[in-house]
Amino acid sequence: ETGVTQSPTHLIKTRGQQVTLRCSSQSGHNTVSWYQQALGQGPQFIFQYYREEENGRGNFPPRFSGLQFPNYSSELNVNALELDDSALYLCASSPRTGGNEQYFGPGTRLTVT
Amino acid sequence: AQSVSQHNHHVILSEAASLELGCNYSYGGTVNLFWYVQYPGQHLQLLLKYFSGDPLVKGIKGFEAEFIKSKFSFNLRKPSVQWSDTAEYFCAVNLPYNNNDMRFGAGTRLTVKP
Repeated sequence: ETGVTQSPTHLIKTRGQQVTLRCSSQSGHNTVSWYQQALGQGPQFIFQYYREEENGRGNFPPRFSGLQFPNYSSELNVNALELDDSALYLCASSPRTGGNEQYFGPGTRLTVT
Repeated sequence: AQSVSQHNHHVILSEAASLELGCNYSYGGTVNLFWYVQYPGQHLQLLLKYFSGDPLVKGIKGFEAEFIKSKFSFNLRKPSVQWSDTAEYFCAVNLPYNNNDMRFGAGTRLTVKP
């Protein structure tokens, strides 16, 4: 059973640029959630996708957007990057929607300069 | 503001000591509760969860947690810690009727001295 994978591992971007992060969910999982984790903080919920539709969203501005594909993999897009967007971005998949147990990937470390 | 609070930022214990990590939340209504653990160099992984039923839930590696609704608490316990329990522990609250929002606490770093 392949776990959740994320790419790239690390990324450095300049303020104002756009970035796309990718996530492959665990086999058989149809739900993907994205989180932002700043240093020394717990993960903050960005949004959840279920069967290619956004199924819940945290308190993040619209410049954070996402996609889920028919194979349940997912992308997180962030436009107009700001310095405060520097963080670890975590993807988690689960076999059902809602608050069921989630399986986390290793994360993508984004640095905005 | 609504939140998930973990009272201890860093806990240091000797092996065989008992552990209790506090978690309080301030959301009313239906919640699902979780403890996640992150061992050094590894991904976040589920330790245990509570959705309904018996408020005392058992998880992996001898951990358990008790849901006390009146206190809005979900404390994590282990009677005897091991050096391998050294990790960061996160309490999380899912709000199934509020955009499936999942709120994490700031985490508690546990260091177990051999």
